[in-house]
Amino acid sequence: DAKTTQPPSMDCAEGRAANLPCNHSTISGNEYVYWYRQIHSQGPQYIIHGLKNNETNEMASLIITEDRKSSTLILPHATLRDTAVYYCIVRVTGANSKLTFGKGITLSVRP
Amino acid sequence: GAVVSQHPSRVICKSGTSVKIECRSLDFQATTMFWYRQFPKKSLMLMATSNEGSKATYEQGVEKDKFLINHASLTLSTLTVTSAHPEDSSFYICSARSRETQYFGPGTRLLVL
Repeated sequence: DAKTTQPPSMDCAEGRAANLPCNHSTISGNEYVYWYRQIHSQGPQYIIHGLKNNETNEMASLIITEDRKSSTLILPHATLRDTAVYYCIVRVTGANSKLTFGKGITLSVRP
Repeated sequence: GAVVSQHPSRVICKSGTSVKIECRSLDFQATTMFWYRQFPKKSLMLMATSNEGSKATYEQGVEKDKFLINHASLTLSTLTVTSAHPEDSSFYICSARSRETQYFGPGTRLLVL
């Protein structure tokens, strides 16, 4: 699977949008971009995934650049409970594929 | 939907004993389940992939005789840490795949004294 790079940390104010960047310049055409988050001492939580089109669900929006070399996860109205480590992972689909976690980005939402 | 449970949530055991951790997919069937381990302030490390009805595939460096994995049904996988030692103390997290998305359990914190 291709690697991703994320800044180690960022913060944002409660109620504002949090834009979390991810670079995946070596992504292959059949690799999806997945985002998970891990709140302290819990298992990772699935957020969203996409291939090339922008995606939105009740938790977040995923914006993927046209060349697919980077993406941004957007939390439209961050709350204190969104403080977590966010992982951007690229993964091929298929029976033998698996998620490989990097270091992620620590998002701190301040009051 | 797509809920994964683990039991127990935490366990303390004596060195040399064995500990079994259960992972269940509650509202879906999972042909493939995964086991991860996470040390403090580190990222998740994949230990093994288990497919229902067949032997697990272990990642490099993970001892298959120490970490026994059984995936006997489409909703249950178990990880047994045999002859546990203090260095096995960690946060163990299972994951089950539903279609193309992996969902994770809440984790089991193991402390070996």
